Amino acid sequence: AAGVIQSPRHLIKEKRETATLKCYPIPRHDTVYWYQQGPGQDPQFLISFYEKMQSDKGSIPDRFSAQQFSDYHSELNMSSLELGDSALYFCASSLKGSNQPQHFGDGTRLSIL
Amino acid sequence: AQKITQTQPGMFVQEKEAVTLDCTYDTSDQSYGLFWYKQPSSGEMIFLIYQGSYDEQNATEGRYSLNFQKARKSANLVISASQLGDSAMYFCAMTLYNTDKLIFGTGTRLQVFP
Repeated sequence: AAGVIQSPRHLIKEKRETATLKCYPIPRHDTVYWYQQGPGQDPQFLISFYEKMQSDKGSIPDRFSAQQFSDYHSELNMSSLELGDSALYFCASSLKGSNQPQHFGDGTRLSIL
Repeated sequence: AQKITQTQPGMFVQEKEAVTLDCTYDTSDQSYGLFWYKQPSSGEMIFLIYQGSYDEQNATEGRYSLNFQKARKSANLVISASQLGDSAMYFCAMTLYNTDKLIFGTGTRLQVFP
C-alpha cells in the first residue's frame, strides 16, 4: 500500500538560510498535517490542511509557512533558519475526522549548522 | 488544558512476555480519540491502535490491545508475546472532537531483551 512520501530525507542548512520540505499524502487522503519533533522530544503539531485549505494551526513560527497544492501535495517553507529549528519534521495524512488514524511519512531530518 | 501523561520513561521486558505501557489523559471533552504510535530508532512513526471515547469494547490489533478505563482516564497499551523488534519508543496521543491534531505524551522507551 502507498505510504506518505516526504522529501528530502535529510537536509543540512546554515543559519539564516531557507528550506522547503515536501510531502505527498496517501492517495484519497484529504487532510495533511505537519509535526516537528526536536531531539528527545514528542512531536509537536505545526499546521494542517483539509482539501487544500488551512484547517488548524499550532505552534508554527511566523518564519514558517505551508500550503497544499491542487494535487494534494504539501510543502513546508522555512526561512531565516535558526539552530533551534534542527529537528525531525513529519508529514502525516488521513481522512478527515478526529477518529481517523494519521499515517506518517518517514520524516525529514533538518540539521542547522 | 488537554494533556497526555506517560509516567514510564523506560520499560524492560523479556522476549515472549507481555508488557503494559501506561497512558493517562486529561480533557473535559466528551468526544475524543486515543492513539498509540511506535517510533523505532530509525525514526519513522508507526500507527498501532485507536480507541474512541464512545467505544465500549477495548480495541485490539493483533498483539496490541488497549486497556481503556474511561472513569480513570487511562488508555494503557498492552503488548502480548513481546518480540525483539518491539524495542522502540511508544507514544500515546489524543485528538479532540473539534480538532484533528494529535497531542502526544512524552513517550515510553521499551526495550525487549532475549
